[in-house]
Amino acid sequence: EAQVTQNPRYLITVTGKKLTVTCSQNMNHEYMSWYRQDPGLGLRQIYYSMNVEVTDKGDVPEGYKVSRKEKRNFPLILESPSPNQTSLYFCATRNLRTGDNQPQHFGDGTRLSIL
Amino acid sequence: GQQVMQIPQYQHVQEGEDFTTYCNSSTTLSNIQWYKQRPGGHPVFLIQLVKSGEVKKQKRLTFQFGEAKKNSSLHITATQTTDVGTYFCAGPDSNYQLIWGAGTKLIIKP
Repeated sequence: EAQVTQNPRYLITVTGKKLTVTCSQNMNHEYMSWYRQDPGLGLRQIYYSMNVEVTDKGDVPEGYKVSRKEKRNFPLILESPSPNQTSLYFCATRNLRTGDNQPQHFGDGTRLSIL
Repeated sequence: GQQVMQIPQYQHVQEGEDFTTYCNSSTTLSNIQWYKQRPGGHPVFLIQLVKSGEVKKQKRLTFQFGEAKKNSSLHITATQTTDVGTYFCAGPDSNYQLIWGAGTKLIIKP
């Protein structure tokens, strides 16, 4: 079954304590992306990756890091989380081999609360 | 920068009434995608429109892409409880990254 798996699903933590949200996909998709979703703002892109070892900033990259060492994994790292990073986070993937405008497939989301 | 505006933010309807959400882009789009997010869930792709003036139907859902490829709409006829959720439009920017509307939340009145 095609899947995008995010972990953890929920996390409450404190300001400044480094955390990593993992994302793994089994669809062999080249493209992976991280979004945050806040009420009234829709989905805003944090970082994206077009392939292994290739990452680019999205619209709201400040305070986040990513890496793409393997095709299937795209972790999101918050080195020093702050309360304004409290949000719902989604990982998404898409197939680039069949064109630039393929639909995105989303993970189930990670709800982060930074106290 | 490029923006995608979506209205209304919420729409309350009685079951059986129609629902419409509108999407407007600040720039011409090569295509527009629509997604649905059920409460507590993740966005799920519904459809993509590519051609100017295109109209596509999925059962009770009708999607339109404007002639100028800057606006789009989703219309649901005779809403059902299974339609509840937030509907998003999204269009690609010059780097093929999706720019998302803020979404329209469909709420069925009890």
